[in-house]
Amino acid sequence: QSALTQPASVSGSPGQSITISCTGTSSDVGSYNLVSWYQQHPGKAPKLMIYEGSERPSGVSNRFSGSKSGNTASLTISGLQAEDEADYYCCSYAGSSTLVFGGGTKLTVL
Amino acid sequence: EVQLVESGGGLVQPGGSLRLSCVVSGFTFSSYAMSWVRQAPGKGLEWVSAISGSTYYADSVKGRFTISRDNSKNSLYLQMNSLRAEDTAVYYCAKVRYTGITLSYFDSWGQGTLVTVSS
Repeated sequence: QSALTQPASVSGSPGQSITISCTGTSSDVGSYNLVSWYQQHPGKAPKLMIYEGSERPSGVSNRFSGSKSGNTASLTISGLQAEDEADYYCCSYAGSSTLVFGGGTKLTVL
Repeated sequence: EVQLVESGGGLVQPGGSLRLSCVVSGFTFSSYAMSWVRQAPGKGLEWVSAISGSTYYADSVKGRFTISRDNSKNSLYLQMNSLRAEDTAVYYCAKVRYTGITLSYFDSWGQGTLVTVSS
């Protein structure tokens, strides 16, 4: 159950697009289309942004999108807004009824 | 409105025990799997345990923590024994969704309860 690998930080200017990567192995990300993404503002609970790799829950902006290639999943945020500044975590099913998170990425909107 | 409210956190000595509770409302509790996720201070999220008809644990807590539920009380529990300093974290209760027959994602979260393990 090793954590998925995310960049510690990414940044972008308002209106730009950014992508956060989430690298796992053939035992988790690579084997299942079951990656989810969470947004967490300081002192707040996480919020689901993407599930099953690319599905958006009701109420989540279509500026958020997810994809996967091999053992790496990605979250793309287009048209960056100040309110997008937060920590982002990926999570994947890892087999044997276990789940594993990434280490988290701090997004800074310049 | 879905609500999950955790309680039971606090300061405990290494080797001690603590029981966390999570009371939910706004959905049919008995129909959903539930989970605990923790976050050490300044660190990332870590999946701890889940319960549906069966129970599942991360290796880091297996044998020390026990997840349970009381559907009549809309409540989820986490019994934590043999606590260590590295168990210090905010513990979140979360509603789990399945994709097919597989644990998949967390669609609702509580605000968390802080557990501090220190002498």
